[in-house]
Amino acid sequence: GAGVSQSPSNKVTEKGKDVELRCDPISGHTALYWYRQRLGQGLEFLIYFQGNSAPDKSGLPSDRFSAERTGESVSTLTIQRTQQEDSAVYLCASSQQSGLSNEQFFGPGTRLTVL
Amino acid sequence: KNEVEQSPQNLTAQEGEFITINCSYSVGISALHWLQQHPGGGIVSLFMLSSGKKKHGRLIATINIQEKHSSLHITASHPRDSAVYICAVRDAGKSTFGDGTTLTVKP
Repeated sequence: GAGVSQSPSNKVTEKGKDVELRCDPISGHTALYWYRQRLGQGLEFLIYFQGNSAPDKSGLPSDRFSAERTGESVSTLTIQRTQQEDSAVYLCASSQQSGLSNEQFFGPGTRLTVL
Repeated sequence: KNEVEQSPQNLTAQEGEFITINCSYSVGISALHWLQQHPGGGIVSLFMLSSGKKKHGRLIATINIQEKHSSLHITASHPRDSAVYICAVRDAGKSTFGDGTTLTVKP
């Protein structure tokens, strides 16, 4: 596809379960970013990848959160033992590089609801 | 105090009015990013700038690095401009976001 895609679009899970959220960046984009937006709140940075490495993981809220990227393509954000406060829209973006002049293209997000 | 402050928080305008949204930041940055979030939630990148001014159609963004301030202007506003406008400051690949400005343009 032409844009950033994310799956699933919606995920409802029970507290304590693990979830995996997937991001497919635009082909050829080496930089990939994960953000979170809680209901009625602003965007929060979680992590970014340059290639398959993650130079900055400082935004991950706890050790229950992890992310990986393989083949400089798909990325997966995993949340273990989900809590109700993890409910949010998780957004992925990609850019050609992580350089400052490179525009980020955002995916539609995954809406996670933890019951 | 947030590292990125936007003002106003909410803005209502009549169609055709000139709009200004402000962003001030307190941290060192490499670049500043203006984003538009539509009512349905989709986010579009408007500008990324590290100095001076950029223009795209009816949108103009300026930044003053010394004053740590940026403005987003919309000329001849239209109801389809109604959205949340978000300022983000970048340091390498990490972004810190403002809380957004909700703009409503009435016909």
